Order: sequence, then structure tokens, then C-alpha cells
Amino acid sequence: AQSVTQLDSHVSVSEGTPVLLRCNYSSSYSPSLFWYVQHPNKGLQLLLKYTSAATLVKGINGFEAEFKKSETSFHLTKPSAHMSDAAEYFCVVRPLNTGNQFYFGTGTSLTVIP
Amino acid sequence: DTEVTQTPKHLVMGMTNKKSLKCEQHMGHRAMYWYKQKAKKPPELMFVYSYEKLSINESVPSRFSPECPNSSLLNLHLHALQPEDSALYLCASSEGQGKYGYTFGSGTRLTVV
Repeated sequence: AQSVTQLDSHVSVSEGTPVLLRCNYSSSYSPSLFWYVQHPNKGLQLLLKYTSAATLVKGINGFEAEFKKSETSFHLTKPSAHMSDAAEYFCVVRPLNTGNQFYFGTGTSLTVIP
Repeated sequence: DTEVTQTPKHLVMGMTNKKSLKCEQHMGHRAMYWYKQKAKKPPELMFVYSYEKLSINESVPSRFSPECPNSSLLNLHLHALQPEDSALYLCASSEGQGKYGYTFGSGTRLTVV
């Protein structure tokens, strides 16, 4: 069975401080993993992806994530939060050999305090 | 062109109306998707088209009818909707089966009155 758990529904950080959004997954097979960001009333934008290459993945806007197979985690980090980072973030898993099926986490709402 | 374009951006329709949502991509992707997203929730998969054939239908009510006229276009025909169908409808596309992720459109905000 496949599932994605985003451990925090809301995260609040001050501008200029680090961001950590946590994601754990369960998958029967080696998955592809993604982080998407959604600003209010907008579509989802791909931040970064892990597809079985380097375990530390760099994405857009200074975000990065590390795939840790032993911990089944794919946490999203950024060294210094910017006001424009305030949005909803979704961790997404695509298990191997499941066709077109993606599994979304429930989302983490990031607030950035000036 | 690396975009998925959805029209209209906003739609208000009555429960007896018939309307269509449109989605277009020119990235050569052969899989296209419709998702429904309620406020503060993740997107829920509705339909998947692969090589212009419907491959996944997630038990969506028949008042939603998808159509894929060609590899670049995806429509969602709406008829006799209910107020609870009000949501953001997102289209996405992917290379193959999506190993490298989806590209999403910006969505159609649908309100059923």
C-alpha cells in the first residue's frame, strides 16, 4: 500500500529563518517523490523531484530535499524563508510500476512572519 | 512551451446548465489528467487519459464527462452539477506515466449556484 504523511498541517517561521516541512512515505517499490507548491487560487508548481538519482535534490527558489530511504522520508528545507514562500506545500509519491497514479499528502500550510 | 493552459479561469453555472472546461498543452505529453480540489485539501484524481484513451476513471459521477479530442487537448463537460461540485478543477499533463512529475495548469474555479 502507498501513502504519504505530511507531519505538520501548519508551519510558521519568521522571515530569514530556516524552513523545514516534513514528509514520510510508505511504498512497496522505489518511488519517485515530488514537492509541489500552491499559492492561493493558483495551480500547483513543481518545486523539486527525486527519481532515483542523487539523494539530495535541489529545486527552485532555494528549496532542497533529501531522500532518506532508511527513514522513508523526503523532507523539504530552505535556509532562509522569504515572504513569497507563504503557500501550501504538497509532498507527492509516485510508486514504481503503478502507472499514472500519484499519491498526495494532505498538505502543509507555510506562514512567514515579517 | 512548458505550460498547461486552462480556460476559463472562473465559471459560475446553474444546476441546469451545460458547460465545458478546456485544457491545452503543447509539450508533447501523452498523459493528461483532471483533478478536483476543495479548499484546504489536496487534489483528488478524477480522470486520466493516456495516448488519448481513458485509462483511469475514479468513480466520478456521470454529470462529469471527459473528452480527449487529440493529444494536446482535454475537455471536461459539465451537466446538471450540484453545489457541492464547486471547487478548483485542475488539469495536468505528464511525459509517459509521470515518473518525472506532472505539469499543472492554473485551474478553473467553478461555482455551482
